[in-house]
Amino acid sequence: EVKLLESGGGLVQPGGSLRLSCAASGFIFSSYAMTWVRQAPGKGLEWVSSISGSGGRTYNGDSVKGRFTISRDDSKNTLSLQMNSLRAEDTAVYYCAKGRSSKEKEAFDMWGQGTVVTVSS
Amino acid sequence: SYELTQPPSVSVSPGQTVSITCSGDKLGNKNTCWYQQKPGQSPVLVIYQDNKRPSGIPERFSGSNSGNTATLTISGTQAMDEADYYCQTWDSSTGVFGGGTKLTVL
Repeated sequence: EVKLLESGGGLVQPGGSLRLSCAASGFIFSSYAMTWVRQAPGKGLEWVSSISGSGGRTYNGDSVKGRFTISRDDSKNTLSLQMNSLRAEDTAVYYCAKGRSSKEKEAFDMWGQGTVVTVSS
Repeated sequence: SYELTQPPSVSVSPGQTVSITCSGDKLGNKNTCWYQQKPGQSPVLVIYQDNKRPSGIPERFSGSNSGNTATLTISGTQAMDEADYYCQTWDSSTGVFGGGTKLTVL
């Protein structure tokens, strides 16, 4: 069974940092692109960052460019999101999502349960 | 930046057919997918590559994409289909979601 389990969310002050993790199981992790998607309270889905199956290509949304870094450790089946210079508008549920293939421009066929990030003083 | 536009809400009677649209510039030239999200739950992929259903998704869900509009159609709508629906595509290397449509089954 494919499983994605996010962790690392919490309350952080504006300007602070947080590192999210996503533990994957039930599939060959290294063979699939992975993505972070967020959802602010009461709002829609927003694509954040994606990384190819090889890890050689990463892409970030304009709202997080220069502040967030996506990475993966295929030896540990783990996806990460390093979030720096956090702002109130980064407050959201952050979902880890699996792509349908190693290519990053694919639909997301499995999602984790999400981890909550709150940026507030 | 590329934008996808969805109607905020749509309603349907049980057993009827409903369509949810997603509009974007030359969207028909891109692959579009659809996600269903019920309250308090994570999104679920219901259509990918415009018109393909993942395993486990009922046949009543179908999709199309042409010109500037992608469409998700639910035939014989059931009460369990009440949810938010999001379209999504890729513009260059940027993921783009529509604003979402709340489907109410009256």
